[in-house]
Amino acid sequence: AQRVTQPEKLLSVFKGAPVELKCNYSYSGSPELFWYVQYSRQRLQLLLRHISRESIKGFTADLNKGETSFHLKKPFAQEEDSAMYYCALRNYGQNFVFGPGTRLSVLP
Amino acid sequence: DAGVIQSPRHEVTEMGQEVTLRCKPISGHDYLFWYRQTMMRGLELLIYFNNNVPIDDSGMPEDRFSAKMPNASFSTLKIQPSEPRDSAVYFCASSRNTGGGTQYFGPGTRLTVL
Repeated sequence: AQRVTQPEKLLSVFKGAPVELKCNYSYSGSPELFWYVQYSRQRLQLLLRHISRESIKGFTADLNKGETSFHLKKPFAQEEDSAMYYCALRNYGQNFVFGPGTRLSVLP
Repeated sequence: DAGVIQSPRHEVTEMGQEVTLRCKPISGHDYLFWYRQTMMRGLELLIYFNNNVPIDDSGMPEDRFSAKMPNASFSTLKIQPSEPRDSAVYFCASSRNTGGGTQYFGPGTRLTVL
């Protein structure tokens, strides 16, 4: 069955430190992977898609099919990055499977 | 554009009562999704529609749950009868067929069943 795991429920880092949010997936086909973010009192919104190979707000994520991972990285964390981050897999059609989420807390 | 609109934002009801959650997707979007978010299970896809037609309802937990989309600008998620374990935040999201999978989420409805 398709599944997305995010092993860390909570991740705390200091401002300026590198951050990596882990995401692993299980999927038999060619996956489409996404990172969604929810800032405090805001809506859940798309951060980036693997297919776009883009960097958004300094975040990047590389799809590693061998390790079935799509970890989210940023070299220097900022306090405004504190939020809930969800890794998601697009299944067949428009069926999305979301991971349980990781709460990132960037300390001053 | 106000984005995806959901109402009510908060709902408190007693066990056994009927609950109706409402959603207005972004104009021009072909897909509409209903999700449920709980601490235990995270974000779960309940059902999604394409051009007002239900495509996949495999995530709907029980027959007590039903969803409709009578037209392109309105959808409802109904729980009848409601139970305390239905307490959660329910999100509606919409997307365009050509949007590369990007979903736009509503603010959610926080449901509490006493």
